[in-house]
Amino acid sequence: DTAVSQTPKYLVTQMGNDKSIKCEQNLGHDTMYWYKQDSKKFLKIMFSYNNKELIINETVPNRFSPKSPDKAHLNLHINSLELGDSAVYFCASSKAVSEGGDTQYFGPGTRLTVL
Amino acid sequence: KQEVTQIPAALSVPEGENLVLNCSFTDSAIYNLQWFRQDPGKGLTSLLLIQSSQREQTSGRLNASLDKSSGRSTLYIAASQPGDSATYLCAVKGSARQLTFGSGTQLTVLP
Repeated sequence: DTAVSQTPKYLVTQMGNDKSIKCEQNLGHDTMYWYKQDSKKFLKIMFSYNNKELIINETVPNRFSPKSPDKAHLNLHINSLELGDSAVYFCASSKAVSEGGDTQYFGPGTRLTVL
Repeated sequence: KQEVTQIPAALSVPEGENLVLNCSFTDSAIYNLQWFRQDPGKGLTSLLLIQSSQREQTSGRLNASLDKSSGRSTLYIAASQPGDSATYLCAVKGSARQLTFGSGTQLTVLP
């Protein structure tokens, strides 16, 4: 049973295109996240989202937008793709955005290459 | 702004050795600290989570400590095995309720 799944695993596209990455979790978690891991392997939070609150990292361009059709899904839409968007994107989920011990569970990642 | 640093960036040890990975963070106002493992081409696996009120957590051959006041954590791996080879990431959850990651330590355990 896959806890957090992402599709596609690889995505190669041209600059200027619009693309989406899908994420699903079957853990019954309340909160989902998107992270970007750049070529230097640094992981940075992009969004955290539950059904009440969206928290956006201030450095994320507004070309990126999360869309959640239901609690188990958080998709990432990217408009007007740029070369610098090439990276590995990870989805994650946790029980709640709480102050305490909420372990995050990660998906396998989507490697995006913009040509 | 929270910054997380991990030293060393890479480490190579022979099988059976005990080893310590280090993590430091600049803002001590954290809710918890987590250690993750990342295998090449794969996602992250949570190893240990230490809440801000705790000093350490143990799971099998792994022991993580937290000294919040000095902004430091260590991950101790006992009797290392080739299967432990991976990148180990430290992350802290701060006032923004989001994780800030270090750049990782790439561990290679030689058979």
